[in-house]
Amino acid sequence: GQQLNQSPQSMFIQEGEDVSMNCTSSSIFNTWLWYKQDPGEGPVLLIALYKAGELTSNGRLTAQFGITRKDSFLNISASIPSDVGIYFCAGPSDRGSTLGRLYFGRGTQLTVWP
Amino acid sequence: DGGITQSPKYLFRKEGQNVTLSCEQNLNHDAMYWYRQDPGQGLRLIYYSQIVNDFQKGDIAEGYSVSREKKESFPLTVTSAQKNPTAFYLCASRDPPLSNQPQHFGDGTRLSIL
Repeated sequence: GQQLNQSPQSMFIQEGEDVSMNCTSSSIFNTWLWYKQDPGEGPVLLIALYKAGELTSNGRLTAQFGITRKDSFLNISASIPSDVGIYFCAGPSDRGSTLGRLYFGRGTQLTVWP
Repeated sequence: DGGITQSPKYLFRKEGQNVTLSCEQNLNHDAMYWYRQDPGQGLRLIYYSQIVNDFQKGDIAEGYSVSREKKESFPLTVTSAQKNPTAFYLCASRDPPLSNQPQHFGDGTRLSIL
């Protein structure tokens, strides 16, 4: 299957700091999705990107769909303790028998110190 | 409220035993998915179903089985052939099934070996 490389694997930051994480792919995606997972719960969709070059914000979160369509970035500004969790990037397959399935990055574990 | 319900939240399996994880959705979604999550591994696709009475193997289907007899239900059976079943299992759904719309997740079932 397609491989999404997400970095960094983990981040330890102080409350109020900004956070950046990214995801790259060996092949093109037409959609990029960013999810957040709190401990013991299922992932929740944060931002969906559908167009190359698109920059979309959701509160303190901003995500960008890379021009090459092989990468995406997620930024969190002025982090707060409730930002703690695992952040995943994902891209859906749009071809053949795998149409509709999602490919996920391995996640970025974010820890915020007060 | 519309959503995806996974049950039970915690499940324990004895050696040689089959167990079934429930996933029910009232979102009227055609497509449903099962993922396995291990620490640091991200989400790996076990099985998915684009429509009732049809399903396909994902990347790690060995030792698992599914059925899709009703649109709202997609149960996953972890068989005794799965030698390392301890993990967090996530169910997701999406509609329409053949587009790039995001998947929505349940809150997961944590399976452990006794």
